[in-house]
Amino acid sequence: ETGVTQTPRHLVMGMTNKKSLKCEQHLGHNAMYWYKQSAKKPLELMFVYNFKEQTENNSVPSRFSPECPNSSHLFLHLHTLQPEDSALYLCASSQAEGGEKLFFGSGTQLSVL
Amino acid sequence: LAKTTQPISMDSYEGQEVNITCSHNNIATNDYITWYQQFPSQGPRFIIQGYKTKVTNEVASLFIPADRKSSTLSLPRVSLSDTAVYYCLVDYGATSGTYKYIFGTGTRLKVLA
Repeated sequence: ETGVTQTPRHLVMGMTNKKSLKCEQHLGHNAMYWYKQSAKKPLELMFVYNFKEQTENNSVPSRFSPECPNSSHLFLHLHTLQPEDSALYLCASSQAEGGEKLFFGSGTQLSVL
Repeated sequence: LAKTTQPISMDSYEGQEVNITCSHNNIATNDYITWYQQFPSQGPRFIIQGYKTKVTNEVASLFIPADRKSSTLSLPRVSLSDTAVYYCLVDYGATSGTYKYIFGTGTRLKVLA
């Protein structure tokens, strides 16, 4: 148990669906992150939030929409995804942004049909 | 563009010491180097972090030469349960100009009996 919980663990969606991924951290951290992990590729940073403010958007397509209502919760809203978006989506948190140890959740395995 | 590279895979036998090297040529003065371990269907887990010279904890050592353009994770006396993918992460900070927290390509370590 890392203190970072992601739901759902698995998600299958069609290209016209709208779904959301949820991440909650119980560590009192101030920074939260979304990463994408595709098969045989390194982890790709998508978004960073620090004290609820987005500080990084790594050129992510607009069909991915993050939301951070408070320092403990992070969402990733998905709409009109493509099959190539199928991947493991990982949430992480850290005490602060920059140079800090990251704590990861177990991820949501997303399949887009 | 900042880049972090590692060997794709390594094999070792139980009880041996394993050294995994990461190359990070564009590392800047204030950037930290962190190593993570990832098992299937789980998020990466923190192993060790360093800035320069040598750092040791209860599970690993991290060696960083003076120029900091590479780092080596050392796992003493590996066991079968150390079979996993190992990632180095460099917090490139302002150096990259595109995004921070760039994970390496990952090294798949297989420990044999």
